[in-house]
Amino acid sequence: QKEVEQDPGPLSVPEGAIVSLNCTYSNSAFQYFMWYRQYSRKGPELLMYTYSSGNKEDGRFTAQVDKSSKYISLFIRDSQPSDSATYLCAMANQAGTALIFGKGTTLSVSS
Amino acid sequence: NAGVTQTPKFQVLKTGQSMTLQCAQDMNHEYMSWYRQDPGMGLRLIHYSVGAGITDQGEVPNGYNVSRSTTEDFPLRLLSAAPSQTSVYFCASSTSSSLRHYGYTFGSGTRLTVV
Repeated sequence: QKEVEQDPGPLSVPEGAIVSLNCTYSNSAFQYFMWYRQYSRKGPELLMYTYSSGNKEDGRFTAQVDKSSKYISLFIRDSQPSDSATYLCAMANQAGTALIFGKGTTLSVSS
Repeated sequence: NAGVTQTPKFQVLKTGQSMTLQCAQDMNHEYMSWYRQDPGMGLRLIHYSVGAGITDQGEVPNGYNVSRSTTEDFPLRLLSAAPSQTSVYFCASSTSSSLRHYGYTFGSGTRLTVV
């Protein structure tokens, strides 16, 4: 079992839809969780970060962590064509020396 | 401009050739890493470094060498290129105190094709 699992999609939604992106992880020692956004032919950029369980909101984006289920989610409200990208979940390895990434979910938002 | 600089942006190699992918950062970051990205595989860690003179293997280290003689530079060497090493390579850096919370700053990538 890989340490971080993420459904690669692709996911296609109409403009204005609510999008839910998810990852599961196997190591209960993971505490710090991140979501990166990667546009085509670009490097990943940090979108949101969270620590421990609960929700964190930033504009149209909400990151959610459920440590009891080892499950993290990213919700996008009122999705826009500019949200079309690949979204990668990431978490620091147990030693805190590198990041482990999910496979990424490719999202396409049509106008 | 501050950030992570990767060179070259594109490269085509023949099987068996060697080359070095360059990575430099000017943010005084202790932590640096190399990832490869393949369709449907996400970002997989090749090698990483927690400071000058200290390197360690990641998930997919075979066929790659690294060294870290300075804080700024972290080159990735392909000793004998194989078609399976066709990929997009990303270099990333962070401080030791920031990585857990804020992750990495990434370079713009090197697209490598081995024929």
